[in-house]
Amino acid sequence: QKEVEQNSGPLSVPEGAIASLNCTYSDRGSQSFFWYRQYSGKSPELIMFIYSNGDKEDGRFTAQLNKASQYVSLLIRDSQPSDSATYLCAVNRGGSARQLTFGSGTQLTVLP
Amino acid sequence: DAGVIQSPRHEVTEMGQEVTLRCKPISGHDYLFWYRQTMMRGLELLIYFNNNVPIDDSGMPEDRFSAKMPNASFSTLKIQPSEPRDSAVYFCASSQQETQYFGPGTRLLVL
Repeated sequence: QKEVEQNSGPLSVPEGAIASLNCTYSDRGSQSFFWYRQYSGKSPELIMFIYSNGDKEDGRFTAQLNKASQYVSLLIRDSQPSDSATYLCAVNRGGSARQLTFGSGTQLTVLP
Repeated sequence: DAGVIQSPRHEVTEMGQEVTLRCKPISGHDYLFWYRQTMMRGLELLIYFNNNVPIDDSGMPEDRFSAKMPNASFSTLKIQPSEPRDSAVYFCASSQQETQYFGPGTRLLVL
């Protein structure tokens, strides 16, 4: 079992729809969770992070965390063609460990 | 801030040659990470430093790979000798807290 798994997609949604990206992790002791966006040929850039169970909203983006189910998701409301990218889920074990374990990414295409 | 700076942005070399990738982290960041990204394996952590000291190099694929951080503003990743299977995008990232900020990457092609 991979440490961090994402639905590989590709995922296509029409413009204006909600895109839902999912991620599960195997280490129950994981403490912090990150979503990065990576455009083709570019480097990953942070969208948002979440530490506590529940929802965290930032503009059109909402991260959801359920530690009991070892599940984290990213919702993108009112999807735009500019949201088309690969979305990477990353998990940190917490404590003194600073390394992130990345999922393989979900490729999202928003159709005009 | 200029962000994480990497050089070169592109490198094409022949098998057996030495390759040196360079990274300047964001000023004030005390963690530096080297990653490799390929289509097959995704984004893999190779090694990371804290205050210039290597903390975890378990991701370094083999002895052909080495990394140094002689000071807080500079790190190198060296491959000697290079092989075609080393072809990938190599990212450097730095952090102060848990959030990592990535450089633009070096696209390496070994022929």
